Amino acid sequence: NAGVTQTPKFRVLKTGQSMTLLCAQDMNHEYMYWYRQDPGMGLRLIHYSVGEGTTAKGEVPDGYNVSRLKKQNFLLGLESAAPSQTSVYFCASTSGGTSAANEQFFGPGTRLTVL
Amino acid sequence: GENVEQHPSTLSVQEGDSAVIKCTYSDSASNYFPWYKQELGKGPQLIIDIRSNVGEKKDQRIAVTLNKTAKHFSLHITETQPEDSAVYFCAASMGSARQLTFGSGTQLTVLP
Repeated sequence: NAGVTQTPKFRVLKTGQSMTLLCAQDMNHEYMYWYRQDPGMGLRLIHYSVGEGTTAKGEVPDGYNVSRLKKQNFLLGLESAAPSQTSVYFCASTSGGTSAANEQFFGPGTRLTVL
Repeated sequence: GENVEQHPSTLSVQEGDSAVIKCTYSDSASNYFPWYKQELGKGPQLIIDIRSNVGEKKDQRIAVTLNKTAKHFSLHITETQPEDSAVYFCAASMGSARQLTFGSGTQLTVLP
């Protein structure tokens, strides 16, 4: 099992460019999440999904879009990147549904710099 | 929404001593409280968690306590080792989507 994987690991964008971050999990988890991590601020939830075809906004959704077309994949898009979106992005997943398990499993992160 | 505060932001201890990190939360509906350890360049990894119907949980050198009345929970690490050096995050969760609200993190350094 690879667990949660993220692509790419690093990326540098210019202001106004667009990109998509890919998250994949092989644990058959229902719920998936995107967080951003900034120095001194912990992790903040951007968007999440409780199942294939569903998405919802988290704490800091502005400037981002997401899609969950397949259960194992959760995509995070930046349509017009801004320097304020320079951050480390983490994807996570958990069983969800009727499962009592709450543990969220995290990917290794994507370090994004917007110039 | 939920707000989680974590203290201290940095903590240095001598190897073999104990370390304590404290968190408070604002929403009494929160019912799940995990602690994550994050090593440099890696994603957070769960080290211990506790549900709101339990007051204390222990796993070898690590323990977590929860005071629902005061809305605070703490991580205790005993007999610290250099490999315990990392950033530790507390979090609180509620709701059917199990979203986590994280504290701001504690950089723990264990001095040999």
